[in-house]
Amino acid sequence: DQQVKQNSPSLSVQEGRISILNCDYTNSMFDYFLWYKKYPAEGPTFLISISSIKDKNEDGRFTVFLNKSAKHLSLHIVPSQPGDSAVYFCAAVLRWLDDKIIFGKGTRLHILP
Amino acid sequence: KAGVTQTPRYLIKTRGQQVTLSCSPISGHRSVSWYQQTPGQGLQFLFEYFSETQRNKGNFPGRFSGRQFSNSRSEMNVSTLELGDSALYLCASRVTAGGIQETQYFGPGTRLLVL
Repeated sequence: DQQVKQNSPSLSVQEGRISILNCDYTNSMFDYFLWYKKYPAEGPTFLISISSIKDKNEDGRFTVFLNKSAKHLSLHIVPSQPGDSAVYFCAAVLRWLDDKIIFGKGTRLHILP
Repeated sequence: KAGVTQTPRYLIKTRGQQVTLSCSPISGHRSVSWYQQTPGQGLQFLFEYFSETQRNKGNFPGRFSGRQFSNSRSEMNVSTLELGDSALYLCASRVTAGGIQETQYFGPGTRLLVL
């Protein structure tokens, strides 16, 4: 049972345009969400996070939106750059329970020139 | 400051064998977590060690085990290897257990192929 779902295995976006990566979750008790970015032959690196008490968090070109009623979050990258081509993982945490981090399967983003 | 290091980087084993993977955390980090990455299941949490004690565990069979040493280095062991154990095994470290996950740093991983 996949508690964190990234339904798009891959996404292609033109350089300079907006990239929108989506993530759905099933457990309404998750209280913290994170996005990680992974390049080939490297480990994931933390990108941006959001607490369940917020609906938006912004860091430079990256913005994460949280819609708790829909159990949905999205990562917006504006403008998209070639270096953004990577696999993006959405993750959720039940911090009040066991601090265990649950990842989605990832979405491969291709930025086209 | 050196990052998280994992050895070996690549490994080929046959079914039924066992394997031990090693992880050296960032200096000063006392928590080490292990993850399995496969195309079908994505990134899955295996376990976390802190101060030589297993603090948290994912839903993996008992063939997967780990330990942590007094210098915070960690090893994970997989016994009786199965074809489905072929994966990238990632180690991540952070200063302490609990708290915010942003402070978790990943190593490059060990790619295990089971034939």
